[in-house]
Amino acid sequence: DTAVSQTPKYLVTQMGNDKSIKCEQNLGHDTMYWYKQDSKKFLKIMFSYNNKELIINETVPNRFSPKSPDKAHLNLHINSLELGDSAVYFCASSQQAGVVTDTQYFGPGTRLTVL
Amino acid sequence: ILNVEQSPQSLHVQEGDSTNFTCSFPSSNFYALHWYRWETAKSPEALFVMTLNGDEKKKGRISATLNTKEGYSYLYIKGSQPEDSATYLCAFRDSNYQLIWGAGTKLIIKP
Repeated sequence: DTAVSQTPKYLVTQMGNDKSIKCEQNLGHDTMYWYKQDSKKFLKIMFSYNNKELIINETVPNRFSPKSPDKAHLNLHINSLELGDSAVYFCASSQQAGVVTDTQYFGPGTRLTVL
Repeated sequence: ILNVEQSPQSLHVQEGDSTNFTCSFPSSNFYALHWYRWETAKSPEALFVMTLNGDEKKKGRISATLNTKEGYSYLYIKGSQPEDSATYLCAFRDSNYQLIWGAGTKLIIKP
């Protein structure tokens, strides 16, 4: 059973389009995250939700909007896609944010290519 | 801005040899240091989390040490095998409980 799943795995789209990436975890975790892997391969946190409540909202263009319908799902919607949005986006979940030893479990990533 | 640095960026090791690499992090306001293993085409997977100065953790042939006073952690792999080929990431838990990630050390084991 896949613990953290993301769809789609690959997404190729034109500039200016709006797209969504979905994430689901079946681990019963309270916290979910979206990361962007930047051009230097660093994982950069974008958002984090704890029990459907936004707890981390880094400096990300407001074209990016996370939505958490329930604590098992955290979707990422991107409006007016730009070339610079091309990257790999990772979803992750953890049992409880705020605990220093809290371990994150990652999805397989979504490779977004904006043409 | 907190920096987590890993060195070397990449490493080629002969099968059977042992190796190690470094993660450097801020030595003040230390909370925890995480190591993850990231195989190509897969997701990062947790290896260790360490919280105390002098901590040593071991999982099979892989072990890690922690020095919080000087701000570094070493990851050791004994008798490298092809399946050890991966990128090894460390992440520092900051005062906001966020993980600040290094860029990783890419390890390639040559048969």
